[in-house]
Amino acid sequence: ELKVEQNPLFLSMQEGKNYTIYCNYSTTSDRLYWYRQDPGKSLESLFVLLSNGAVKQEGRLMASLDTKARLSTLHITAAVHDLSATYFCAVNTVTSYDKVIFGPGTSLSVIP
Amino acid sequence: AAGVIQSPRHLIKEKRETATLKCYPIPRHDTVYWYQQGPGQDPQFLISFYEKMQSDKGSIPDRFSAQQFSDYHSELNMSSLELGDSALYFCASSLAADSHTSGNTIYFGEGSWLTVV
Repeated sequence: ELKVEQNPLFLSMQEGKNYTIYCNYSTTSDRLYWYRQDPGKSLESLFVLLSNGAVKQEGRLMASLDTKARLSTLHITAAVHDLSATYFCAVNTVTSYDKVIFGPGTSLSVIP
Repeated sequence: AAGVIQSPRHLIKEKRETATLKCYPIPRHDTVYWYQQGPGQDPQFLISFYEKMQSDKGSIPDRFSAQQFSDYHSELNMSSLELGDSALYFCASSLAADSHTSGNTIYFGEGSWLTVV
């Protein structure tokens, strides 16, 4: 059974600092997603990573994927308060293409 | 751009009642997903449909059923409601044909808040 873990679960960081959120998954997958969610709101797609070594960047966020290690990272550069939200990674399995399982989420708080 | 439309946005039901949630996917999208998110929890995969056929099933209770209709809209039916069913229910959609280009980004609706009292 596919398990998705994230580390850390809670993160408080100062504006201007850098940090990385880690996402580990337990079985072979061909797609990894990163989402952002504000309290009580919908899930906003940030990145979709397909292949080993894939790296995507948008603004202060950069995501990477290592399929051999079953690890993805979401790196935050020079954090600003607007990045405060919960970040989820989600993964499918090659045997259940549409069954996309979410990790527990990382609650990020950026402090001025 | 059109987004995933869910209705109703909020509903309150009593225990043992029945509720139906509706979802209208983004036009031309061929895959629909349903998720349940409890307070402070991650979204739990319930069920998915590809081209109106069930494609995968997750932790969906036997009291729940879902289907996708000929016009691609989907409904999640929940019967014998329990207090623990109170949650935010998301519908999402994607286009499988995009999988090799954009990785078929999954777009989520705003969600339907279900409160069972």
